[in-house]
Amino acid sequence: GESVGLHLPTLSVQEGDNSIINCAYSNSASDYFIWYKQESGKGPQFIIDIRSNMDKRQGQRVTVLLNKTVKHLSLQIAATQPGDSAVYFCAENRGDTGRRALTFGSGTRLQVQP
Amino acid sequence: NAGVTQTPKFQVLKTGQSMTLQCAQDMNHNSMYWYRQDPGMGLRLIYYSASEGTTDKGEVPNGYNVSRLNKREFSLRLESAAPSQTSVYFCASMGAGDTQYFGPGTRLTVL
Repeated sequence: GESVGLHLPTLSVQEGDNSIINCAYSNSASDYFIWYKQESGKGPQFIIDIRSNMDKRQGQRVTVLLNKTVKHLSLQIAATQPGDSAVYFCAENRGDTGRRALTFGSGTRLQVQP
Repeated sequence: NAGVTQTPKFQVLKTGQSMTLQCAQDMNHNSMYWYRQDPGMGLRLIYYSASEGTTDKGEVPNGYNVSRLNKREFSLRLESAAPSQTSVYFCASMGAGDTQYFGPGTRLTVL
């Protein structure tokens, strides 16, 4: 069936290192993906998105890579900081414009060690 | 500009009780959503409203009803709460850019 899932439940990195969070999807027709950050006790916060006509998109300290051949995307965080500690979700945004809804993966917890 | 607001922040119910979760957005967005998040899991869509006057079922609609009161407000009602509905509920809204913005959540416990 269709799913959006993550490879690892917890990722621990040293402050200053780069972090890579992975996500797999199964629906080859998926065309729009979003990464969210969720801090404890808060709602998900938009980080970056990517559409299927792109392989890479960069933001401030974050890069998302999309490999449509193997149906995989990743979130790279450069120079990870303690404030990056959170759960990260990839989500697939499906549906027609105006009727889109998100399907979330189960999340990866990023722990930044000082 | 408060974004998406939700009330209450916390609620404890007994099995069989009813309650309504309120959500409002001040971004003039057409689409609004209700999700639930169980421990250690991602969010699952309960209901959504693509525009004022329309509502559609999501992945897990059973046991819930919704009302799109106007463009700003989208409420979620539990008519007869069950322990399986213990969860954190998030409301979201989306504008023309296809990005959803989330509220802070309502933590609901059903005893």
